[in-house]
Amino acid sequence: DAKTTQPTSMDCAEGRAANLPCNHSTISGNEYVYWYRQIHSQGPQYIIHGLKNNETNEMASLIITEDRKSSTLILPHATLRDTAVYYCIVTQEAAGNKLTFGGGTRVLVKP
Amino acid sequence: DSGVTQTPKHLITATGQRVTLRCSPRSGDLSVYWYQQSLDQGLQFLIQYYNGEERAKGNILERFSAQQFPDLHSELNLSSLELGDSALYFCASSVGTTVYEKLFFGSGTQLSVL
Repeated sequence: DAKTTQPTSMDCAEGRAANLPCNHSTISGNEYVYWYRQIHSQGPQYIIHGLKNNETNEMASLIITEDRKSSTLILPHATLRDTAVYYCIVTQEAAGNKLTFGGGTRVLVKP
Repeated sequence: DSGVTQTPKHLITATGQRVTLRCSPRSGDLSVYWYQQSLDQGLQFLIQYYNGEERAKGNILERFSAQQFPDLHSELNLSSLELGDSALYFCASSVGTTVYEKLFFGSGTQLSVL
């Protein structure tokens, strides 16, 4: 699986959009980008995933660059409950859904 | 609530002992995964079962074993416990095994080995 690079931490103001970057410059054509988050020692929670196209759901938007070497997770209106560690994961179809978590980005949403 | 149930929530035991962690997947999910989260190693994939069969293996120690039963619940057995086995153990489930499916995680079992 391709390696991902994320900032260790970032702060965000409540009510503002949170843009979380992820670099995956070695991604190959059949690898998907997944985002999960973990709120204070709870089990990780799925957010969104994509292959090539931008994706949006009720939680967030995922913007993948045209060359697919990086992506951005956007939380449109961050709330205090969005404070969590956010994991960007790249996995290929052959690996099934055996996810390999990295260090993630610790996001602190401030009032 | 993810629908994945893990018991017990907390477990305190001594070195050298053996424990069993239990996981009930979401209704309809055939695939079960076990992950270990420690402070220094982060979230590590241990093992995956699909419909009773072992599907994938990760960084699981030989002292650890798992199985998935006909009713699809799974158990993770940890034996000859060491201090370093203290960690949060998460179970996750999904319907199948394709990369398109999201994983649903339980709330974990906190294991403390003293």
